[in-house]
Amino acid sequence: KNQVEQSPQSLIILEGKNCTLQCNYTVSPFSNLRWYKQDTGRGPVSLTIMTFSENTKSNGRYTATLDADTKQSSLHITASQLSDSASYICVVNPGNNRLAFGKGNQVVVIP
Amino acid sequence: DGGITQSPKYLFRKEGQNVTLSCEQNLNHDAMYWYRQDPGQGLRLIYYSQIVNDFQKGDIAEGYSVSREKKESFPLTVTSAQKNPTAFYLCASSIQGAVETQYFGPGTRLLVL
Repeated sequence: KNQVEQSPQSLIILEGKNCTLQCNYTVSPFSNLRWYKQDTGRGPVSLTIMTFSENTKSNGRYTATLDADTKQSSLHITASQLSDSASYICVVNPGNNRLAFGKGNQVVVIP
Repeated sequence: DGGITQSPKYLFRKEGQNVTLSCEQNLNHDAMYWYRQDPGQGLRLIYYSQIVNDFQKGDIAEGYSVSREKKESFPLTVTSAQKNPTAFYLCASSIQGAVETQYFGPGTRLLVL
């Protein structure tokens, strides 16, 4: 069973609208959680990283939240742009030098 | 893509042929990693190396081999024993002992003819 579950699997949104992506994890112990953006055919690029004590972090129009008690994280995209079309990957670090990857949320922004 | 380069961008393999994917980094990172990405699946770890001349198998090492003769380089060979090699291969590097600092390369797409 995958230790990092992301939902929805795919999402289509209109340009200018907001959206929220979910990540639930069962990984334990927990060291930190990172959200990556991966454009088609490219390598993932880090958006945010949060440790146990942080519950929100922003990077421009991207805002990540973390609830370590319920083991849930979300990534909120504000005022979406066409360039936001990508896969967003939630990655949890249990602190043992091996990362646990979600399957990604595929976002398509249409004009 | 940081200071990590992968080549080639696309690679074609014939049946029974070994192919080698290149990964080079200039970030002065000790640790390097190879992942495989298939549609609809999360990244899976093939091999990783924490230091020069040392490497460890990941979750799906069968049919692959690596070497780590230089700090900057971590080539991956896809051997003929890998029966389903078509995938997107990602190389990453990080500070030793800090896997959360991983930077990814641009990837190589391997296709079987």
